[in-house]
Amino acid sequence: DVKVTQSSRYLVKRTGEKVFLECVQDMDHENMFWYRQDPGLGLRLIYFSYDVKMKEKGDIPEGYSVSREKKERFSLILESASTNQTSMYLCASSRPRGGGQFFGPGTRLTVL
Amino acid sequence: GENVEQHPSTLSVQEGDSAVIKCTYSDSASNYFPWYKQELGKRPQLIIDIRSNVGEKKDQRIAVTLNKTAKHFSLHITETQPEDSAVYFCAASIGTGRRALTFGSGTRLQVQP
Repeated sequence: DVKVTQSSRYLVKRTGEKVFLECVQDMDHENMFWYRQDPGLGLRLIYFSYDVKMKEKGDIPEGYSVSREKKERFSLILESASTNQTSMYLCASSRPRGGGQFFGPGTRLTVL
Repeated sequence: GENVEQHPSTLSVQEGDSAVIKCTYSDSASNYFPWYKQELGKRPQLIIDIRSNVGEKKDQRIAVTLNKTAKHFSLHITETQPEDSAVYFCAASIGTGRRALTFGSGTRLQVQP
């Protein structure tokens, strides 16, 4: 059974803080993804990675960066958190040939 | 890039009725179309998917149909039950592994007992 875990379920940060969200998967998946989910907007792709140290921008990368130093771990970084980054953040992973993505439980981030 | 539109945004049906959710996509190169179910407070979970070499796929009460010419695909749920109440998302991608999914905006399905 695929397991994707995220470092926090709930997080509260202040404007301007640097925020790290971590995702770990245990199925040896090559592909990993970060989405944010907002009401009425569905899931929007921030960044994804198809290999260690590789990354590609998604639809809304502004204000975010990522790090993939190990295959099982994919980190999302908010360099300087802003209130408009208050959202639910979901991590996912999938096999190299694509197909279904498996999601983590999500981190609800509030930026005050 | 790919754009996926999903309708309706909300859907209310009586228990036992059928529910249909429709999606259209813009990139004719897309060839993989999954559907996800997200219950309140939980993570999205894959419930069914279809690839472009297949026109229809069924799994018990759930079926997905694909019309590549018209670039649309639909989720059909028959004999709905209260536990089908959730938000459903469609998605599309060029399924070569290095392309991510583009999601629709979601449909909130409410099954009234």
